[in-house]
Amino acid sequence: QKEVEQNSGPLSVPEGAIASLNCTYSDRGSQSFFWYRQYSGKSPELIMFIYSNGDKEDGRFTAQLNKASQYVSLLIRDSQPSDSATYLCARGGNAGNMLTFGGGTRLMVKP
Amino acid sequence: ETGVTQSPTHLIKTRGQQVTLRCSSQSGHNTVSWYQQALGQGPQFIFQYYREEENGRGNFPPRFSGLQFPNYSSELNVNALELDDSALYLCASSLPGVQTNVLTFGAGSRLTVL
Repeated sequence: QKEVEQNSGPLSVPEGAIASLNCTYSDRGSQSFFWYRQYSGKSPELIMFIYSNGDKEDGRFTAQLNKASQYVSLLIRDSQPSDSATYLCARGGNAGNMLTFGGGTRLMVKP
Repeated sequence: ETGVTQSPTHLIKTRGQQVTLRCSSQSGHNTVSWYQQALGQGPQFIFQYYREEENGRGNFPPRFSGLQFPNYSSELNVNALELDDSALYLCASSLPGVQTNVLTFGAGSRLTVL
């Protein structure tokens, strides 16, 4: 079992819809989780991070963490074609010195 | 404030050769991490440097080595290159402590091994 798992997609949503990206992890001791966006041929950019159970909102983005069920999700409201990218979920290391990434989910927002 | 810069952006090597990749961290960031990203996969942690010392290492063989300099810049060296070393190598800088996992990535160095 991979430490961090994501559906590779592609996930296709129409413009203006809500995109829901999911991620599961195996280590119950994981404390911190990160969502990065990566455009084709570019480096990852941090969208947001979450440490506590529940929801965390930042603009059109909402991260959700459920430690009991060991999943993290990212909701993108009012999806735009410019949101089309690969979204990487990562968990922080217990020693605080590494991130473990999932394989990423490719999102396609169609006009 | 400058971001993370990496060089070279692209390079081609042959099996058995050695390569050195360079990274300048974001201003104020004294921790540097290196990740390898194969095509279609997520980044994999290679190692991290803090105060010029290796501060954690992923599952990579010893032929992957690194350095951090007093100005916080860093190098990744790979000896005896193999075809599977072909990947995007990402450098990321961060602040120490609780902000260590909040990474700022450079644009990457794309290595092709023939």
